Amino acid sequence: GIQVEQSPPDLILQEGANSTLRCNFSDSVNNLQWFHQNPWGQLINLFYIPSGTKQNGRLSATTVATERYSLLYISSSQTTDSGVYFCAVERVNRDDKIIFGKGTRLHILP
Amino acid sequence: DGGITQSPKYLFRKEGQNVTLSCEQNLNHDAMYWYRQDPGQGLRLIYYSQIVNDFQKGDIAEGYSVSREKKESFPLTVTSAQKNPTAFYLCASIKGNMNTEAFFGQGTRLTVV
Repeated sequence: GIQVEQSPPDLILQEGANSTLRCNFSDSVNNLQWFHQNPWGQLINLFYIPSGTKQNGRLSATTVATERYSLLYISSSQTTDSGVYFCAVERVNRDDKIIFGKGTRLHILP
Repeated sequence: DGGITQSPKYLFRKEGQNVTLSCEQNLNHDAMYWYRQDPGQGLRLIYYSQIVNDFQKGDIAEGYSVSREKKESFPLTVTSAQKNPTAFYLCASIKGNMNTEAFFGQGTRLTVV
């Protein structure tokens, strides 16, 4: 099956810093999403981005489908950005599975 | 409001008992998914369903069962055959066509006592 690799696995930053999270995938995909898991476990939709670039406030994401990777940028980090960020993909051949990476755990220090 | 609802939020089970987790959506989505998350880990796919009365095994289906009798509902039963059922369970739904976004419920935290 498709492999989804996220890096780095852990990231510790000071408040105000910028960060880049990466998601590599091993096959062509129809769908790609970024999620933030809050301290209560809920997955919050950040971006639906199978290709191209999107921005939402301090967050932006870029997916280069031909090179099989996506990047999530967080600028001017705040402590509320802490948590786990997941990338999830669905393969082009439509086996209909949504597969997750193992996530990047982000700690923003005050 | 439209959304996806999981219940209960917390569930305790004695060893050897079956337990059923509820997942209901009113988004008119065709496809529904169940995932398991262990502490500090990612999400692993248990079962998924694209249409009513049809479902497929995911990567870790052993010890679990599902049904899809209604479009809105996709309950997950954790059976006594599941060796290590203590985990956080998340349900998701998606419209079902290509290029659509998945949405998640708030999760059920199951503890075996």
